[in-house]
Amino acid sequence: SYELTQPPSVSLSPGQTARIACSGDALAKQYACWYQQKPGQAPLLLIYKDTERPSGIPGRFSGSSSGTTVTLTISGVQAEDEADYYCQSADSSGSYEVFGGGTKLTVL
Amino acid sequence: EVQLVESGGGLVQPGGSLRLSCAASGFTFSNYAMTWVRQAPGKGLECVSDITGIADRIYYADSVKGRFTISRDNSRNTLYLQMNSVRADDTAVYYCARRTGPHVFDMWGRGTMVTVSS
Repeated sequence: SYELTQPPSVSLSPGQTARIACSGDALAKQYACWYQQKPGQAPLLLIYKDTERPSGIPGRFSGSSSGTTVTLTISGVQAEDEADYYCQSADSSGSYEVFGGGTKLTVL
Repeated sequence: EVQLVESGGGLVQPGGSLRLSCAASGFTFSNYAMTWVRQAPGKGLECVSDITGIADRIYYADSVKGRFTISRDNSRNTLYLQMNSVRADDTAVYYCARRTGPHVFDMWGRGTMVTVSS
């Protein structure tokens, strides 16, 4: 079955820039999304169509895409950004949805 | 207010059954595909089942195929997940999510916990 690969953890100090990559063969054909999940809460859509940001999401969150890798960038990380981040996309035929394993962002 | 509210979770014995519901409000329910996504304790997200707005296409993950049934009642703005022959590895928080194109879950409920244990 198709998989998306993310690093399990990232640690940064406040004000630094976080970059979380997500790789998968079908990302060259399918758009990806990013979600933020804080403990005890439902996931929140941060980025869709690789780079688009829903209304209400702060501008420090951005997405990019290159070949089979998509990247979530958080510019000027804040303590409140400490959370799990998941990428999500579809298999090459668009038949089913897949989530990455998640990346835990720790703000030191 | 646009909202999804899950219910029906609880403790169930292995081999038992449970029906989850997701009540939608604040949008035209029949216009959207809906998805059940689960998260086992301390684990990541897994798409369990998906149904289009008019129920003409349904998807099941291999892990639940033949045991779970997704359905919807557009007159009641409600999504369902019938869970049969449950196993310990079905223990998870079950979220319903609204799916918009392409492959985007733009709205989530708060989830309902299902625990499979004897």
